[in-house]
Amino acid sequence: TQLLEQSPQFLSIQEGENLTVYCNSSSVFSSLQWYRQEPGEGPVLLVTVVTGGEVKKLKRLTFQFGDARKDSSLHITAAQPGDTGLYLCAPDFSGNTPLVFGKGTRLSVIA
Amino acid sequence: NAGVTQTPKFRVLKTGQSMTLLCAQDMNHEYMYWYRQDPGMGLRLIHYSVGEGTTAKGEVPDGYNVSRLKKQNFLLGLESAAPSQTSVYFCASSKPPGTSGSRAQETQYFGPGTRLLVL
Repeated sequence: TQLLEQSPQFLSIQEGENLTVYCNSSSVFSSLQWYRQEPGEGPVLLVTVVTGGEVKKLKRLTFQFGDARKDSSLHITAAQPGDTGLYLCAPDFSGNTPLVFGKGTRLSVIA
Repeated sequence: NAGVTQTPKFRVLKTGQSMTLLCAQDMNHEYMYWYRQDPGMGLRLIHYSVGEGTTAKGEVPDGYNVSRLKKQNFLLGLESAAPSQTSVYFCASSKPPGTSGSRAQETQYFGPGTRLLVL
């Protein structure tokens, strides 16, 4: 059984601050997706990371895939109220079975 | 393109009643999924389908049945609803893994959700 943990569970920050959220597992994954879910809507894909050590940037969001392929992080620079939402990581443990979603980090950015 | 649509948006059931949730996608995706989302529990996979006429169990399949008679539709049934099935249900669809050329899973496109309350 793969253990998957996202931290922190909740995060409330002021507009303009930086933050990092984490996704960690006891098992290696072949790739990982990050989704953002806004209140009342379904999740939307932000990024897919495939290679260990990979770093991807999406405007103010920086995603990193750990060298050992057991962890990933999402860093947001100068957070804005529009970044508010639930951030979900979804590792692919085998490539042949459906993704497993973490419990998410609920981010609130206060203006 | 409507993407993924779900019907109904909200429903209240009494314990023991049955209902069917409908998911439709217009992206010609092979794979479709049903999830439930509860506070503090993230998204948990109920059932999924890798093509028309196929279904498979996910993490929490008990109390639910599904059918994929047409490629564009994926139905989730509750035969005898229980209060523990109060949740928000999301449907998603995707291309098969590897379609885009990498070994990664493909993007899942989610519907807006169905909020179900079982009394």
